[in-house]
Amino acid sequence: DQQVKQNSPSLSVQEGRISILNCDYTNSMFDYFLWYKKYPAEGPTFLISISSIKDKNEDGRFTVFLNKSAKHLSLHIVPSQPGDSAVYFCAASVSRQGGKLIFGQGTELSVKP
Amino acid sequence: GAVVSQHPSWVICKSGTSVKIECRSLDFQATTMFWYRQFPKQSLMLMATSNEGSKATYEQGVEKDKFLINHASLTLSTLTVTSAHPEDSSFYICSARSNIAKNIQYFGAGTRLSVL
Repeated sequence: DQQVKQNSPSLSVQEGRISILNCDYTNSMFDYFLWYKKYPAEGPTFLISISSIKDKNEDGRFTVFLNKSAKHLSLHIVPSQPGDSAVYFCAASVSRQGGKLIFGQGTELSVKP
Repeated sequence: GAVVSQHPSWVICKSGTSVKIECRSLDFQATTMFWYRQFPKQSLMLMATSNEGSKATYEQGVEKDKFLINHASLTLSTLTVTSAHPEDSSFYICSARSNIAKNIQYFGAGTRLSVL
């Protein structure tokens, strides 16, 4: 039972353009969502998060949008840079259940110069 | 801030031996740490939740006697893979949850375990 899904295993974007990474979830109890960036053989690096009481959170080039009715969130990176090339994982948690993170399968982003 | 150190980064061991992996939060206290396992091209799978001063909580299907977890202080958790076998070869990653920003987990760099 995959509670968090990233249906696109890969995405290729031109440098300077917008990257949009998508994530869907099924558990309506999730109330906190996070995006992590990961390079091979390294641990994930926290990028940005959003609480279910908000629908948008912005940090520099990164913006996360949450659509609770659709159980969908997305990460926008603009402008995209070659250094953004990595695997991006979305994760979700239920705060009052100890904050365990449930991860999606990841989307490999490639930003081409 | 929010640095998590994991050691060793890579270990090769013989079948039947035990391997200990350390996870330290360097600049914050973490009552709760988590241990994950990642298979190639797959997502991170939570193995167990480690709470300082109490027993770890294991996810379904994870053998607690196989994967021993100790969380003796607010900055250190260890995972010991006992009597390792080739099927235990994997990438193990720990994370620590800040006692202040409780919804965010910060991850270590991971440990590549190869059992011969």
